[in-house]
Amino acid sequence: NAGVTQTPKFRVLKTGQSMTLLCAQDMNHEYMYWYRQDPGMGLRLIHYSVGEGTTAKGEVPDGYNVSRLKKQNFLLGLESAAPSQTSVYFCASSSYRGSGNTIYFGEGSWLTVV
Amino acid sequence: DQQVKQNSPSLSVQEGRISILNCDYTNSMFDYFLWYKKYPAEGPTFLISISSIKDKNEDGRFTVFLNKSAKHLSLHIVPSQPGDSAVYFCAASAVQAGTALIFGKGTTLSVSS
Repeated sequence: NAGVTQTPKFRVLKTGQSMTLLCAQDMNHEYMYWYRQDPGMGLRLIHYSVGEGTTAKGEVPDGYNVSRLKKQNFLLGLESAAPSQTSVYFCASSSYRGSGNTIYFGEGSWLTVV
Repeated sequence: DQQVKQNSPSLSVQEGRISILNCDYTNSMFDYFLWYKKYPAEGPTFLISISSIKDKNEDGRFTVFLNKSAKHLSLHIVPSQPGDSAVYFCAASAVQAGTALIFGKGTTLSVSS
């Protein structure tokens, strides 16, 4: 009963390095999302996908890229990490127009850019 | 421009009393509202939701009220328990326009015994 799984859980990057966060869901959900949580800022949507092969920008997309090559996976990439990208990243998924769009979240990935 | 606002960063309540968490929104296209609860070092978990066609939804100790004319919703927890201590996020979506949820900044609830 995995639900939404994120890897890695913790990572420290140097400024300018690149990395990819992997999200996998086993609920056959159409929609997947990447959010970031910062102190006093709540959860802000970075990018989302409404189905395999599709992606769209959210509220704070700059500095990130995403890909949804398989329905169950949603990758978040940082091409050149900056200290401002130090945050907790949450992946989430939801069924297509199901359950009033209840979203299920992963446990989070803590990223520090030094 | 914040579309979902939780103006109280924190709330402290005694065990057994009522907790009332408030949320305001600006986008009249929003037609579905949810509350999520988050413990430290965990992902947010769904708590309760309400459609814009209703003004109240109850689930055990949790009740959500929606006032569309005021663009305001509230979450009532009765009675409050120490295990309710967490960050509560209000979220809204416009299902017709797309399904991405917009979240408020959260309210930290502390329930003391």
